[in-house]
Amino acid sequence: NAGVMQNPRHLVRRRGQEARLRCSPMKGHSHVYWYRQLPEEGLKFMVYLQKENIIDESGMPKERFSAEFPKEGPSILRIQQVVRGDSAAYFCASSPIGHSNTEAFFGQGTRLTVV
Amino acid sequence: RKEVEQDPGPFNVPEGATVAFNCTYSNSASQSFFWYRQDCRKEPKLLMSVYSSGNEDGRFTAQLNRASQYISLLIRDSKLSDSATYLCVVIGMFSGGYNKLIFGAGTRLAVHP
Repeated sequence: NAGVMQNPRHLVRRRGQEARLRCSPMKGHSHVYWYRQLPEEGLKFMVYLQKENIIDESGMPKERFSAEFPKEGPSILRIQQVVRGDSAAYFCASSPIGHSNTEAFFGQGTRLTVV
Repeated sequence: RKEVEQDPGPFNVPEGATVAFNCTYSNSASQSFFWYRQDCRKEPKLLMSVYSSGNEDGRFTAQLNRASQYISLLIRDSKLSDSATYLCVVIGMFSGGYNKLIFGAGTRLAVHP
């Protein structure tokens, strides 16, 4: 059973470009969380998704950021018109549906660098 | 008030020391609790679940105090390899009827020779 897969592991974008980060949850998991971690800081919650449904996006910046988790395929975190402040590690975690006592499993993260 | 709060540290301790971290949570309906460990530039990994009766795994002991709404992690006989950031995680039912994982900001531990 493969773990949570994130790609790319490293992504370099110029200011103004778009960044697309992908996350494939563990097999059988239908809940996905996205977190951002700035250097020397803690994890900051961004968005919580179920397949085809955004459950909680209270941590997402109002502009330029969007996330989806389609019925087929990975979850995508999309950042439009990137700025230097978007440089961070973006982690995805997945958990099974309906289990309130089950931990989440993390991918290895995507490190975005905006130049 | 933050949903999950931790002392950011750092805790600087010598090898062999015993160190304890606390974490408080605000949602009294929280159902499940975990400690994760995050090494520098790596993803967080589950260290241990926290059960109501308390649980131990080798040198690590986790406890839950529902009345005071905090969980703790005790590390005995610290090793250099224990140096990491320890994240407190709470699962609770939030408005809208869904469960959600909430992470604390983490407590940094540095064990020195």
